[in-house]
Amino acid sequence: AQSVTQLGSHVSVSEGALVLLRCNYSSSVPPYLFWYVQYPNQGLQLLLKYTSAATLVKGINGFEAEFKKSETSFHLTKPSAHMSDAAEYFCAVSVFGNEKLTFGTGTRLTIIP
Amino acid sequence: DTEVTQTPKHLVMGMTNKKSLKCEQHMGHRAMYWYKQKAKKPPELMFVYSYEKLSINESVPSRFSPECPNSSLLNLHLHALQPEDSALYLCASSPLGRDARSGYTFGSGTRLTVV
Repeated sequence: AQSVTQLGSHVSVSEGALVLLRCNYSSSVPPYLFWYVQYPNQGLQLLLKYTSAATLVKGINGFEAEFKKSETSFHLTKPSAHMSDAAEYFCAVSVFGNEKLTFGTGTRLTIIP
Repeated sequence: DTEVTQTPKHLVMGMTNKKSLKCEQHMGHRAMYWYKQKAKKPPELMFVYSYEKLSINESVPSRFSPECPNSSLLNLHLHALQPEDSALYLCASSPLGRDARSGYTFGSGTRLTVV
């Protein structure tokens, strides 16, 4: 079975600073990896996805993530944090032939003015 | 249309009530999902429908009854719920097969409070 681990349940960064949210995956077959963002009292919005094409994936709102097979990682980054980035971020994994999308425990991102 | 629409957005119900949550998508996705999300927790999968047939039930109590009338609609019927069932209920849809790698599309959820 596949799984993801998010290191750090809370991350605080200053406005304008680099954002780095960590995600490591476990899967016996090539995974599909996703990052979702959730604002308070809202659903989940897809930020970006890795589907075995380019290892560096660009998403919405200036976010990007790099798939590193050797490290089993899919960390999310943004060069310069904005106040509007404050939200909960979830890493998720699925594999071909299995409809189940498995989420990590989430990372709450706080932006310090 | 690239959205999943959920109604109602908020629902308060008593423990003896019967209510239904509704979900609709028009993206041609053949898989639809119900997730339950408690505060400060990730979404937990409840049910999966593939080609309008129930394919996964994550050992959900029978007081939750899903229904998929057609490929665009998904319902969740609620009966005799407990206060601990209060949560955000999220609906999602996705393509099936290799196209599933495009990701799930989530609705904005129904905030359910059981009193």
